[in-house]
Amino acid sequence: GENVEQHPSTLSVQEGDSAVIKCTYSDSASNYFPWYKQELGKRPQLIIDIRSNVGEKKDQRIAVTLNKTAKHFSLHITETQPEDSAVYFCAASDTGFQKLVFGTGTRLLVSP
Amino acid sequence: NAGVTQTPKFRVLKTGQSMTLLCAQDMNHEYMYWYRQDPGMGLRLIHYSVGEGTTAKGEVPDGYNVSRLKKQNFLLGLESAAPSQTSVYFCASRNTDTQYFGPGTRLTVL
Repeated sequence: GENVEQHPSTLSVQEGDSAVIKCTYSDSASNYFPWYKQELGKRPQLIIDIRSNVGEKKDQRIAVTLNKTAKHFSLHITETQPEDSAVYFCAASDTGFQKLVFGTGTRLLVSP
Repeated sequence: NAGVTQTPKFRVLKTGQSMTLLCAQDMNHEYMYWYRQDPGMGLRLIHYSVGEGTTAKGEVPDGYNVSRLKKQNFLLGLESAAPSQTSVYFCASRNTDTQYFGPGTRLTVL
């Protein structure tokens, strides 16, 4: 089955810096890759996603890149702000797209 | 739309007790999921359903049962709770791509 690895587990940056979180997946048939943000005590919420027929997608300060050959995808946050502090999860769909397999999460801390 | 709701929000059980967690969605979604979240381990899938009357095992199904008698509801049962089942439980639903999560249930088993 699909296996998703996520790095780093924690990331500390200064406000205004960029942050990059990386994930690798094992199943070459996976075709959907969402990113979720979870604030303390809250539910995970989708912030951006990408399909396998697209190499990059951008939404304001966040972007996701996908390298299908290498089976890895990354989340890029530019001009970080304290409110970006949260846990971020990557995920990949299984074959048949019935379910998602999640990475173990990255705790991002943005210091003012 | 209320989206995805979960009942209860918090619960404390003693070892061996049973309980049922209720997930409800009003978005007419076909797919529903139960996850547990433990520190450092992300979201692990317990069971899921691809439609009314269907259920399937996820990554960590042992000790749990589920039922999807109505499209809008997905129930997660613990027949004999164990301390290892102390966790935060999230329900989610989806129709096309995006999974929408409920607010979570924090369960403690003593």
